[in-house]
Amino acid sequence: EAQVTQNPRYLITVTGKKLTVTCSQNMNHEYMSWYRQDPGLGLRQIYYSMNVEVTDKGDVPEGYKVSRKEKRNFPLILESPSPNQTSLYFCASARGAFYGYTFGSGTRLTVV
Amino acid sequence: KQEVTQIPAALSVPEGENLVLNCSFTDSAIYNLQWFRQDPGKGLTSLLLIQSSQREQTSGRLNASLDKSSGRSTLYIAASQPGDSATYLCAVKNSTLTFGKGTMLLVSP
Repeated sequence: EAQVTQNPRYLITVTGKKLTVTCSQNMNHEYMSWYRQDPGLGLRQIYYSMNVEVTDKGDVPEGYKVSRKEKRNFPLILESPSPNQTSLYFCASARGAFYGYTFGSGTRLTVV
Repeated sequence: KQEVTQIPAALSVPEGENLVLNCSFTDSAIYNLQWFRQDPGKGLTSLLLIQSSQREQTSGRLNASLDKSSGRSTLYIAASQPGDSATYLCAVKNSTLTFGKGTMLLVSP
């Protein structure tokens, strides 16, 4: 089944403890992105990647890192999480610029 | 910077009504526009994708139109059902994918 898989689905962590949210797609898509969704603010892009080893900042990149070492994976790294990073996170992928996006099921992160 | 606005923010209708959700965007230089559905606490399900060269797309009871020059899209839902209750998100693609804040739809039996 063609899909975007995020792990974990739920995560509660403490301030300052480094964490990684994984994202993998099995559709050979070029484009991958990370979003966070917050009440009243909607979905905001954190980082995106148009190909292997090519990443760019989105609207809210502060406090996050990404890497794209291989086409199928695009992990989101929080080096020192803070409570304001408590959010619902989505990974998405697309074949290219003119194609629609497929989203993962989301990761609900709580930082205490 | 692209800005996407969805009106109304919330809509409540009785079952069986036809309804229209609106989306407007500020930068008309887009590759495509995509409508999504999101159930509470869940992921995004793609409903329709309209390329910039297209005027509309249809899937079942859903019809989406695009007027790129005026920066507008509408999502028409025919004969609404309680199962249509969800938040509907509009997203436009140029260099990146930008979302509106959504329309929360409630269809009552």
